[in-house]
Amino acid sequence: GDSVTQMEGPVTLSEEAFLTINCTYTATGYPSLFWYVQYPGEGLQLLLKATKADDKGSNKGFEATYRKETTSFHLEKGSVQVSDSAVYFCALSAGDSNYQLIWGAGTKLIIKP
Amino acid sequence: KAGVTQTPRYLIKTRGQQVTLSCSPISGHRSVSWYQQTPGQGLQFLFEYFSETQRNKGNFPGRFSGRQFSNSRSEMNVSTLELGDSALYLCASSLVPAGVGETQYFGPGTRLLVL
Repeated sequence: GDSVTQMEGPVTLSEEAFLTINCTYTATGYPSLFWYVQYPGEGLQLLLKATKADDKGSNKGFEATYRKETTSFHLEKGSVQVSDSAVYFCALSAGDSNYQLIWGAGTKLIIKP
Repeated sequence: KAGVTQTPRYLIKTRGQQVTLSCSPISGHRSVSWYQQTPGQGLQFLFEYFSETQRNKGNFPGRFSGRQFSNSRSEMNVSTLELGDSALYLCASSLVPAGVGETQYFGPGTRLLVL
């Protein structure tokens, strides 16, 4: 079945460092890919998404490119801030799972000032 | 526009009891999905409702049920609570049923503790 694998956390970085959180997926067909973020004590917020190969999703300085050849959707940000501390979830939706979101385990990001 | 609201935010129940959680979607959204989030299992899909009909169901026992009303508000019910049902229950809404690239908007969740 479809699945999403994320790098394990926590990831600890200093403010203004470059961020990469790896995400790879397994799916038949052409899934849509998402990054959601969960701040402490809150629900999930959509960060960005991409619906076809080579699409780049971007928001709030975060970017991710849908790479079908490597089945990846890595999240990047050039300069992180303390306010980016949160848990980041990679997810996919595809027809063979009735388009319900299939989630990665989440990666906790800690940014130190 | 108001976001997805869930009530109550926190609940404490004991084993064997039942519980009902409520979700009000974003105005105009007709699809509501429910997810369970636990430290051990992560995020897992429970079910999706659209136009008062259950459209999809995840791999959960029959103790977990839901419904949707004509105003798109949804409730989920868990009967005969077990300790393992302690979790954050998240509701998400979207304009139409989950489809290619369809974005789901999440509420803050209801944290259920079963003692």
